[in-house]
Amino acid sequence: EPEVTQTPSHQVTQMGQEVILRCVPISNHLYFYWYRQILGQKVEFLVSFYNNEISEKSEIFDDQFSVERPDGSNFTLKIRSTKLEDSAMYFCASTRDRGRTNEKLFFGSGTQLSVL
Amino acid sequence: AQKITQTQPGMFVQEKEAVTLDCTYDTSDPSYGLFWYKQPSSGEMIFLIYQGSYDQQNATEGRYSLNFQKARKSANLVISASQLGDSAMYFCAGYNFNKFYFGSGTKLNVKP
Repeated sequence: EPEVTQTPSHQVTQMGQEVILRCVPISNHLYFYWYRQILGQKVEFLVSFYNNEISEKSEIFDDQFSVERPDGSNFTLKIRSTKLEDSAMYFCASTRDRGRTNEKLFFGSGTQLSVL
Repeated sequence: AQKITQTQPGMFVQEKEAVTLDCTYDTSDPSYGLFWYKQPSSGEMIFLIYQGSYDQQNATEGRYSLNFQKARKSANLVISASQLGDSAMYFCAGYNFNKFYFGSGTKLNVKP
């Protein structure tokens, strides 16, 4: 089965530093997402991205966060100045299309971000 | 918006027995999808099963089946013949208005 690829699998950073989390969605998918999961808690929606622009974002996705699709394959999440509470597992996901209720969300294996 | 509720933070089941994980949803949209994902301790999210709001039959995928009761707005996951490898976190998710909504999860422990 096709896969969403995320790098790195683990990222340790100092508070206040910038981090970029990288994702390669499935090649024929058009709709991309970032989710985060604080240890042992709910999977929280951050942002969705379609046609090279943000479709929707949550309250968590403030000015410290940005997303980009710099080329035809990569999809990145940037946190400009990390805070301790940004420590979480970050999942990239993609769907082939949108609007149909049977669109399965394909997840990457996640990047565990630890902010010290 | 859609709300997904999982009321069982943790469940235990004996190996080889069946277990039901509860999920209720709340949406105003008549067209929606319901999903279950498994998250083992390694952290990845594994798709298990899907049910569409217009599907007449309950979805089944191997040992997984979805007990879909539309009038009660419930979409419970049934795992038959539990195995030790089924021990994991299970998330119910709903999809409509181009967005996925997740429940808080149920941690399943399968006892030998």
